[in-house]
Amino acid sequence: GAGVSQSPSNKVTEKGKDVELRCDPISGHTALYWYRQRLGQGLEFLIYFQGNSAPDKSGLPSDRFSAERTGESVSTLTIQRTQQEDSAVYLCASSQRRAETQYFGPGTRLLVL
Amino acid sequence: KQEVTQIPAALSVPEGENLVLNCSFTDSAIYNLQWFRQDPGKGLTSLLLIQSSQREQTSGRLNASLDKSSGRSTLYIAASQPGDSATYLCAVMGPSGTYKYIFGTGTRLKVLA
Repeated sequence: GAGVSQSPSNKVTEKGKDVELRCDPISGHTALYWYRQRLGQGLEFLIYFQGNSAPDKSGLPSDRFSAERTGESVSTLTIQRTQQEDSAVYLCASSQRRAETQYFGPGTRLLVL
Repeated sequence: KQEVTQIPAALSVPEGENLVLNCSFTDSAIYNLQWFRQDPGKGLTSLLLIQSSQREQTSGRLNASLDKSSGRSTLYIAASQPGDSATYLCAVMGPSGTYKYIFGTGTRLKVLA
């Protein structure tokens, strides 16, 4: 079946603009994660959704970052008033249930000029 | 706060060698540990997931072990091939009550033909 998809694959924006990144998880996967990977660095956890439970937002770096997920479907990560330090690859992953194998999307490469 | 370290940071070996990648973590109260590979410009692919109650998992030429009490895991790759060249990441879920993965910074492997 289809894997995790993310859109757009690349995004170039100007400092101060808002951006919205989208993640389509594998159908039936209840858990969905967002990560950020800056150039040459490891993955940083941002936020985790599990079904209809309250999300774990402990990794969001500032209040400019927010994410939503409706039920067990699509998720969007929104970055308001982008800064140059937001430039990174944003990766989404889903798993059938929490604490199970994670399947990653190809990522969205964000460049803030 | 959970911290994950991977040694070595980079490794270059001739084709056919057996090799070991190391991962250590500071808090042993984990749910599971997962090994991933990341190819340049692409998302992550899960290789093996070891639950906290397990000692090892095997898939083909890969074998991952877990010693939770000492906070260590190893990924053994037998008979390495040029196609194994990638960055290998380990990630731990936990400690108890958290369902987010903390990633190491990875080992960049190059297998020479």
